[in-house]
Amino acid sequence: EAQVTQNPRYLITVTGKKLTVTCSQNMNHEYMSWYRQDPGLGLRQIYYSMNVEVTDKGDVPEGYKVSRKEKRNFPLILESPSPNQTSLYFCASSPLDGTPLHFGNGTRLTVT
Amino acid sequence: GENVEQHPSTLSVQEGDSAVIKCTYSDSASNYFPWYKQELGKRPQLIIDIRSNVGEKKDQRIAVTLNKTAKHFSLHITETQPEDSAVYFCAASIETGGATNKLIFGTGTLLAVQP
Repeated sequence: EAQVTQNPRYLITVTGKKLTVTCSQNMNHEYMSWYRQDPGLGLRQIYYSMNVEVTDKGDVPEGYKVSRKEKRNFPLILESPSPNQTSLYFCASSPLDGTPLHFGNGTRLTVT
Repeated sequence: GENVEQHPSTLSVQEGDSAVIKCTYSDSASNYFPWYKQELGKRPQLIIDIRSNVGEKKDQRIAVTLNKTAKHFSLHITETQPEDSAVYFCAASIETGGATNKLIFGTGTLLAVQP
């Protein structure tokens, strides 16, 4: 089944403790992206990648890192999480022409 | 920067009525406009999309219209049913390094269909 898989689905952590949210897709998509969803703000892009070893900042990249060592994987790294990074995170992928965008099931992160 | 405005933020209709959600975008180069439906606790899923060379597209009870001159597009749901209750997001593509992958999303519309 074609899908984008994120893990974990739920994560509670404390300020400053490094964490990684994994994302993997099995559709051979070149494009992958991370979004955060907050009430009243919609979906805001954090980082995106148009191919292996190619990453770029989205609209809200501060406090996040990503890597794209393999085509299928695009982990999101929070080196020193802070409470303002409490949010619902979605990974998404698509072919290079951008259509359509497939979302993972989301990761709800709480930073205390 | 480029942005997409979406209205209304909440919409309540009676079952069987129509619902319309409107979006405006700022980038005149935008050429792809998808709509996503997000049910409670689930991921956004594409329900319909339209490209700039088309003015209207329909899929059963759902239709999208695009006015490129005015830079706005709308989602129309007819004969609404309780299972249409969800948050709906519009989005518009913007150019990034020659590709059109980047989507700017609206802030979402919570649609409630009252039985």
